[in-house]
Amino acid sequence: EAGVAQSPRYKIIEKRQSVAFWCNPISGHATLYWYQQILGQGPKLLIQFQNNGVVDDSQLPKDRFSAERLKGVDSTLKIQPAKLEDSAVYLCASSSLRVSYNEQFFGPGTRLTVL
Amino acid sequence: AQKVTQAQTEISVVEKEDVTLDCVYETRDTTYYLFWYKQPPSGELVFLIRRNSFDEQNEISGRYSWNFQKSTSSFNFTITASQVVDSAVYFCALSFNYGQNFVFGPGTRLSVLP
Repeated sequence: EAGVAQSPRYKIIEKRQSVAFWCNPISGHATLYWYQQILGQGPKLLIQFQNNGVVDDSQLPKDRFSAERLKGVDSTLKIQPAKLEDSAVYLCASSSLRVSYNEQFFGPGTRLTVL
Repeated sequence: AQKVTQAQTEISVVEKEDVTLDCVYETRDTTYYLFWYKQPPSGELVFLIRRNSFDEQNEISGRYSWNFQKSTSSFNFTITASQVVDSAVYFCALSFNYGQNFVFGPGTRLSVLP
């Protein structure tokens, strides 16, 4: 079974530029999560999708971050414009309530550096 | 508030020593799940264990064991006879609201020295 795929693995941009990350969850997983992990900290949930609907986006900085999950499969997370403090690893995870009660499977992450 | 605390920021041990990583959680829910994840230097989070709130049996898997105590809201993780490959950041996490919400602790960085 293929795992969660993310791209790109690394991205370096200048502040005020825009950037987008892509995630392909495990096939059949209805729930998809985006996390931000700042160096030395635990992952912080940004947004959670159930199929193509948003379950929780309370910690998403909506003035600059947006995410979508069209057709309930792939998802993209966008930052526009980026700030220095957005430098972090962005992790995507997926889960299925039907399998292992919502155990989350994580992708390798995208490391973003904002200069 | 739903919260996970890992008081140990960093731990260093010498190979073959036993080490226990502490996790204390807070939740108003009566049904919840607790997890441990390992994050090696490569960065990918690796699932280690899940425990539901109704199952307080301790679990052992090879050199790993977990001690779940609802009375103290703790879910501690012990590595017996540690190895250099155990060096990683370990996260404790809580899933609540019937699995709809998930919160991670800040992590404990374990260094196992040869």
